Amino acid sequence: DPKIIQKPKYLVAVTGSEKILICEQYLGHNAMYWYRQSAKKPLEFMFSYSYQKLMDNQTASSRFQPQSSKKNHLDLQITALKPDDSATYFCASSQEVWGGQDTQYFGPGTRLLVL
Amino acid sequence: GDSVIQMQGQVTLSENDFLFINCTYSTTGYPTLFWYVQYSGEGPQLLLQVTTANNKGSSRGFEATYDKGTTSFHLQKTSVQEIDSAVYYCAMRDQGGRALIFGTGTTVSVSP
Repeated sequence: DPKIIQKPKYLVAVTGSEKILICEQYLGHNAMYWYRQSAKKPLEFMFSYSYQKLMDNQTASSRFQPQSSKKNHLDLQITALKPDDSATYFCASSQEVWGGQDTQYFGPGTRLLVL
Repeated sequence: GDSVIQMQGQVTLSENDFLFINCTYSTTGYPTLFWYVQYSGEGPQLLLQVTTANNKGSSRGFEATYDKGTTSFHLQKTSVQEIDSAVYYCAMRDQGGRALIFGTGTTVSVSP
């Protein structure tokens, strides 16, 4: 059974619209993250959460808002979508956010295309 | 700032060839280093990780050695198979210890 679920797998949106990317993890982890993978760019860290509290935000834009309704959920709301937001968004989790040696496990990703 | 550099964008091999992927890093201190593998249509999977305590990691026939002197963390495999075709990412934790910083990835294509 998949341990990190991301929904939907594919998403097509129009410029200016708003979408929510869903992430649920069943690993019993206390830390969750969002990363983005754009064409021709490496995986980029966006957010980290620990026990449902925001720890790090490395996105320049307030259009990206993570939401954690439960400890094992970390959704990503994106407003006023732009074509540059087209990317694959990966959710990840780890046991704790502080452990330098702690392994981060990644979900299968949501591929977003903004037209 | 922290960075991870993979110079090889693409490596093309035949089965049973030797694989070597370069990775160098820049940061202060001695971070934990990771190799992730990403198969087509999937998220990155941890392949192996190495700390300064053990200096070397291995998994599924892959090996990586942490060289603090040259700040390198190269990945190698003696005999690749077609199923090893994937994108390989070198990564490290940033100085805050929470974010992973990834290299640009190396696409490995292995033909039978």
